[in-house]
Amino acid sequence: DQQVKQNSPSLSVQEGRISILNCDYTNSMFDYFLWYKKYPAEGPTFLISISSIKDKNEDGRFTVFLNKSAKHLSLHIVPSQPGDSAVYFCAASGTGANSKLTFGKGITLSVRP
Amino acid sequence: GAGVSQSPRYKVAKRGQDVALRCDPISGHVSLFWYQQALGQGPEFLTYFQNEAQLDKSGLPSDRFFAERPEGSVSTLKIQRTQQEDSAVYLCASSSQRGGAKTEAFFGQGTRLTVV
Repeated sequence: DQQVKQNSPSLSVQEGRISILNCDYTNSMFDYFLWYKKYPAEGPTFLISISSIKDKNEDGRFTVFLNKSAKHLSLHIVPSQPGDSAVYFCAASGTGANSKLTFGKGITLSVRP
Repeated sequence: GAGVSQSPRYKVAKRGQDVALRCDPISGHVSLFWYQQALGQGPEFLTYFQNEAQLDKSGLPSDRFFAERPEGSVSTLKIQRTQQEDSAVYLCASSSQRGGAKTEAFFGQGTRLTVV
C-alpha cells in the first residue's frame, strides 16, 4: 500500500520551459513534505520542503505547492535546465516520534537542450 | 568531506554470507536513519537512531537485519545470512534535529549490495 504516489515514471521537457512533477499521498497524518533529487550513483539530495501549514514554498527556480484537501503536491521548476535531468523523489513525514520519510517511487526528468 | 560517508560503495556477497555496512554521519548530527532502495523503487525506511538509542526499528524486514550506533556517531547495518532479495542500495541519512522535528535529512551515496 503506497502512501506516497508518483504516478508518472518519467517526464521530458524542453530547456527553458516549465517542469511540473506531481505527487499524491494517502496518509492524512503526514504534515511535512520534501522533494529530493538524485543523480545516478549518488545519494538523494534535498531540494525543497513544505510544511502542511503552508500551501506554497519558493526557492529560486523551484516552487512546491501543497493542496491538503486533495492530498496533492507538485514541484514546479522554471525555467528548466539540462542539469535538472535527474530522478525526483517526493517524500513525506508524519507526527510520529521520529521524522522518518516515506518516499514515492520517483520520476525521471529529462530536460532536452 | 563534511557529508555523510558510507562504505563500502559496492559489495558483492554470496548467498548465506554475513555483511556489514558502515555509515559515518555528519559530525554532530543527532538523528541517523537507514533506508533500503530496491531497483526502480523509492527508499524505504529501515531504522532510526537518536544518538546511540535505536528508537525505531519497525522497517527492518527480518531478524537477519541488525543495526547499531554504540557511541552515537558511526553506525553499522549488519545483514546475516544474506539472501538474493536483500540485493538493494542501502542509504544512510543524518539530521541535526531530534525526534519529530521537521528538517531535511542528508543522505550518503549508499552501498550497493548484490547477493549472488
